[in-house]
Amino acid sequence: GAVVSQHPSWVICKSGTSVKIECRSLDFQATTMFWYRQFPKQSLMLMATSNEGSKATYEQGVEKDKFLINHASLTLSTLTVTSAHPEDSSFYICSASPWVRGETQYFGPGTRLLVL
Amino acid sequence: SQQGEEDPQALSIQEGENATMNCSYKTSINNLQWYRQNSGRGLVHLILIRSNEREKHSGRLRVTLDTSKKSSSLLITASRAADTASYFCATDGIGGANSKLTFGKGITLSVRP
Repeated sequence: GAVVSQHPSWVICKSGTSVKIECRSLDFQATTMFWYRQFPKQSLMLMATSNEGSKATYEQGVEKDKFLINHASLTLSTLTVTSAHPEDSSFYICSASPWVRGETQYFGPGTRLLVL
Repeated sequence: SQQGEEDPQALSIQEGENATMNCSYKTSINNLQWYRQNSGRGLVHLILIRSNEREKHSGRLRVTLDTSKKSSSLLITASRAADTASYFCATDGIGGANSKLTFGKGITLSVRP
């Protein structure tokens, strides 16, 4: 149980294009979803937290107009990297929790983004 | 600043030996969690220990928490080559409507067959 999927698992795109990453909870309703970014050999950094039906709460230093998050249903959240640039290349990981506060998060397998 | 700081940063042991990893943090917490990440993959939740707990076991894993020292340790007994991965501690701070995990930098564990 508690499986979270991400799609795509990897994506290569040209600079200036937008990329959408999907995060789905497969066997539970995700009241809260989280998006993280991880650079090579570094830790996970929280980008934003979203509750279903509400606007996402972004961490300091994360541009909300660049990283659009939509948590439209209890099983799906999307992260859109708009006008991607090479410095946006990273490993993006989502997590989901069935609890409002989000204690114990179930992580997706991650999406590797390479912007050329 | 980083909430969770693990040490050592890298650990190499022989299969069958025990591996001990430490994590220190700075602020008060609701709970502390340990995760494993295989190279290029997502995170696997290993164990959660609450602030009012001192020790917890799960299979070959033993986690301790000392809130007075703001530190935790993860012990993996009888290690296997499959335990080779990066291990992260993450703290869930007090307050806020949503849980907010702050991850440490991670420990790279290599278990030699």
